[in-house]
Amino acid sequence: DIQMTQSPSSLSASVGDRVSISCRASQSIGTYLNWYQHKPGRAPKLLIFAASTLQSGVPARFTGSGSGTDFTLTISSLQPEDFATYFCQQSHMIPYTFGQGTKLEIK
Amino acid sequence: QVQLQESGPGLAKSSETLSLTCSVSGASVTTRNYFWGWIRQPPGRGLEWIANIYYGGTTQYNPSLKSRVTISMDTSKNQFSLILSSVTAADTALYYCARVTSAWYFDYWGQGALVTVSS
Repeated sequence: DIQMTQSPSSLSASVGDRVSISCRASQSIGTYLNWYQHKPGRAPKLLIFAASTLQSGVPARFTGSGSGTDFTLTISSLQPEDFATYFCQQSHMIPYTFGQGTKLEIK
Repeated sequence: QVQLQESGPGLAKSSETLSLTCSVSGASVTTRNYFWGWIRQPPGRGLEWIANIYYGGTTQYNPSLKSRVTISMDTSKNQFSLILSSVTAADTALYYCARVTSAWYFDYWGQGALVTVSS
């Protein structure tokens, strides 16, 4: 199985900050990497697919980059609604696997 | 707006069979180029993909669970279901259903259904 490792596991930041979350795959996955946002009690939300393509309706402050084994989700200017857990997922091969999540908290 | 809603027993006994259903609105489970899938998250742990199904009958399973899992679809009710047999405490989790694109990412999710397995 492809292991997905996110860092950091948690992050404290302030409104307006620029933050980046890393996701590393245990083997090359090309650009088959997707990012999701999850708030407690709510359905997870797709943010970015194919490493860098923004899902319709997602604000442009979210950007994704990377290929191969190293990927980054960047939020350019944090808004209050962005405090949530973020996780990555590889869709390169079965079994599709997820990172363990990065919890973004208000400083 | 595509919406998915999981339903299940909430509580299951060890060694028994667990059944979950996902009801879909705002889209048809027969829509071409979309699969429908299940993902779970045990308490304090990461997400684990379980299985996907296409209305034509094609299925995909996580090899680690394949021997105990069956995914099926009822197009007349616009639903799909998950059956997990011989459950143990390790199957205690929040179970999500989701729509799966042809590139194998999940573009719409349900809110999740908590299943607790007790002895």
